[in-house]
Amino acid sequence: GESVGLHLPTLSVQEGDNSIINCAYSNSASDYFIWYKQESGKGPQFIIDIRSNMDKRQGQRVTVLLNKTVKHLSLQIAATQPGDSAVYFCAEHTGGFKTIFGAGTRLFVKA
Amino acid sequence: DAGVIQSPRHEVTEMGQEVTLRCKPISGHNSLFWYRQTMMRGLELLIYFNNNVPIDDSGMPEDRFSAKMPNASFSTLKIQPSEPRDSAVYFCASSTDRASTEAFFGQGTRLTVV
Repeated sequence: GESVGLHLPTLSVQEGDNSIINCAYSNSASDYFIWYKQESGKGPQFIIDIRSNMDKRQGQRVTVLLNKTVKHLSLQIAATQPGDSAVYFCAEHTGGFKTIFGAGTRLFVKA
Repeated sequence: DAGVIQSPRHEVTEMGQEVTLRCKPISGHNSLFWYRQTMMRGLELLIYFNNNVPIDDSGMPEDRFSAKMPNASFSTLKIQPSEPRDSAVYFCASSTDRASTEAFFGQGTRLTVV
């Protein structure tokens, strides 16, 4: 099926542990920052976004943190499950419509 | 709703041939995007349509690539002539409006040019 690059940064966690996926961004003018999840053979799927004037937003089992000072974004997944294994992309929403994707991080969850 | 539907899922073609990729966005969505995914470049935005009108095609790699959206329920991405370096997974995505941060992606078309 469709797949992403084989040479992505990889994070391996034990099932039940918390995961933290990090991302550095470049465009300070982006109005939103977004996290997407891509499972093998599928297209990216929206997880959560955060407006640029916020520093934290929580969803179901996920929390996104934004540090504009150092241009850093992170996604925290609580109680990581095998179904969370995927490639995670941070993305910047800019220009009112354009979503620009980062390189991605592969998350492996060990049972 | 069946989501964004792309066809074909896989396409293998010879260098120099014309390739047409197809996309049916989610009904009611008025923004449509074409992306290309490769190991070297990751996910690249090729072109964006709003209300069937191309708004930004700055990501289209060269004149061999063209995209159309004749109506709200159909879009095509055409490569003519195709080259081996065009081999990639091509995704179509749609969203409710241009300001929405949530784009819904299709399953993608894996294109191999030999």
